[in-house]
Amino acid sequence: GAGVSQSPSNKVTEKGKDVELRCDPISGHTALYWYRQSLGQGLEFLIYFQGNSAPDKSGLPSDRFSAERTGGSVSTLTIQRTQQEDSAVYLCASGAWYNQPQHFGDGTRLSIL
Amino acid sequence: GQQVMQIPQYQHVQEGEDFTTYCNSSTTLSNIQWYKQRPGGHPVFLIQLVKSGEVKKQKRLTFQFGEAKKNSSLHITATQTTDVGTYFCAGLSGTYKYIFGTGTRLKVLA
Repeated sequence: GAGVSQSPSNKVTEKGKDVELRCDPISGHTALYWYRQSLGQGLEFLIYFQGNSAPDKSGLPSDRFSAERTGGSVSTLTIQRTQQEDSAVYLCASGAWYNQPQHFGDGTRLSIL
Repeated sequence: GQQVMQIPQYQHVQEGEDFTTYCNSSTTLSNIQWYKQRPGGHPVFLIQLVKSGEVKKQKRLTFQFGEAKKNSSLHITATQTTDVGTYFCAGLSGTYKYIFGTGTRLKVLA
């Protein structure tokens, strides 16, 4: 595709519910990153995928967070039993390789009531 | 753990004035990337620096990578209102993980 696509763009859910966020990277990009950005803050690294494998999961905040990538393309970030502190913008970025420019999607704005 | 500090946090300038943001890492970096995020938007890649002492220019923007590869700077000459946004550095240090700086929010007063 022309760019990185994320869905949904906005998600409002109640505390305790599970949510699934989707990222469609640029076609052919091997590297895929998930970041979290709270209002007015910097980007917090969550997870990195190289192809379908995730050599670095060190940024996932807790075991309620998980992510997968299939076919070297689409990735989903799942948050179970959401908490209010999970409210943030979740950004996905893809790159040709890990040491190449990252192209970001528009993000998913997650609000936990 | 690895940290990347960025200063200043905020900068207000009059249109036409220069602007500089500085990025300092606690560890040596393989490379450093710079991004610009407009209000309400997503980060957009500006440039990547790899070599010690490297200097790159993009029109009014000048990027530098320190000799020790632990610090970097972005300088904008004669700011314009279109330069408004938050500028982030992102350092790569031996792993796949990029550590983003805290960002410098630039406001340009016309």
